[in-house]
Order: sequence, then structure tokens, then C-alpha cells
Amino acid sequence: GAGVSQSPSNKVTEKGKDVELRCDPISGHTALYWYRQSLGQGLEFLIYFQGNSAPDKSGLPSDRFSAERTGGSVSTLTIQRTQQEDSAVYLCASSLAFQPQHFGDGTRLSIL
Amino acid sequence: GQQVMQIPQYQHVQEGEDFTTYCNSSTTLSNIQWYKQRPGGHPVFLIQLVKSGEVKKQKRLTFQFGEAKKNSSLHITATQTTDVGTYFCAGTSYNQGGKLIFGQGTELSVKP
Repeated sequence: GAGVSQSPSNKVTEKGKDVELRCDPISGHTALYWYRQSLGQGLEFLIYFQGNSAPDKSGLPSDRFSAERTGGSVSTLTIQRTQQEDSAVYLCASSLAFQPQHFGDGTRLSIL
Repeated sequence: GQQVMQIPQYQHVQEGEDFTTYCNSSTTLSNIQWYKQRPGGHPVFLIQLVKSGEVKKQKRLTFQFGEAKKNSSLHITATQTTDVGTYFCAGTSYNQGGKLIFGQGTELSVKP
């Protein structure tokens, strides 16, 4: 069956521009996570959506970062006024509650 | 808040040697999961442990969950070059609404 789909797979943009990253989770999965991973580093938690509960935004590094999850399915991570330190791979994962996470292939974001 | 610590950060072994990574949580966990991320890939679920003192095996991999459900370990017997990658533990606490917290990961390199 279909896994977690992320788009675009690669994004190169100029410093100061806004970017939107998309995640299509596995159908029926109630939990959705966004992570950031810099080269050779671990997973940095960004935001967590669980069902209809208010999202856990405790990992968002600044107010330039925001995320939405529409209709309990597709999620968009938006980074405004991008900075060079935002360059990283952004990973999305979905799961049923308390079950293993399924990761997408990620979006590699490069800020020039 | 809940923290999951993982050691060591890096481990270099000769092919055929054993390898162990350790995971400790600041709070009691309802379950712990282990993931493997190959270079250039995304984390892939390996196993989930739920019961106190649980031990599970997958071929050369042995996973343990501590009696107090606050620590876990992954042991690989007789490493092979295919074991190369980063191993992450991830735990869910009882009072975090199902949110999965990842450790920092242990990067394993295997010299043939």
C-alpha cells in the first residue's frame, strides 16, 4: 500500500523566501510528526498532531515555522523568511496512536 | 519534560565484533521502539517492546526493555557491514498523549 509521501523531494531557495513542505500521511493514521535532521545529526522534533487534539508545537524553533494539518490528513510545514541555518532534511512520519511511525523520504531543503 | 538519552553517539567496530547501544528515559515508558536509519535513508521501524523486562530477538539483534521500563538496549552479535547505520530508540510516556520521543541515535560503522 501507499506509504508516507512528501513533496517536494528537494527544494533550493534563496534566503528570505518562504517555503511550503507537504506531507501525505498513510490513510487512517491519526498521528503525524514533523522532524528536522541536519547532516550527520539526530532527529529534531518540530511538531506533533494527534487526531483532533491541539498540536504539540513545542519543537518549533522560531515563529517563522508553522504547520497545519487539514481534515486530519495532509499536513503542510511552512517556513517564512528562510535562513541558511534552516537547511536540512525535513522528515514527516505518521502512525496510529502508540504504534510505530512510518517515515516519508523527506524533503531536502537548501537555502542559498 | 520527558527526555530520552542514548549512548554512545558513535561506535566503530571491526566486522564480527559485537555492538550495543543503550537508551535511558527520564520517565517511565509505556513502550519503547527501535529504528534503523541507513546512510541517505529515513528511519525504519525495527521493533516495539511493551512489557517490563521484555526481551525480543531478530536474528543477530537482541532488544531488551528494563524492569522499571525506563531503559532499553539493542545488542548486535557478530556485526556485518550491512548493519551500518544509525540506530534510534524512541519512547512513549504515559502522560504525553502518545507522543514519541526519540533518542539522539547511535551511529554504527563497521570496518570489513
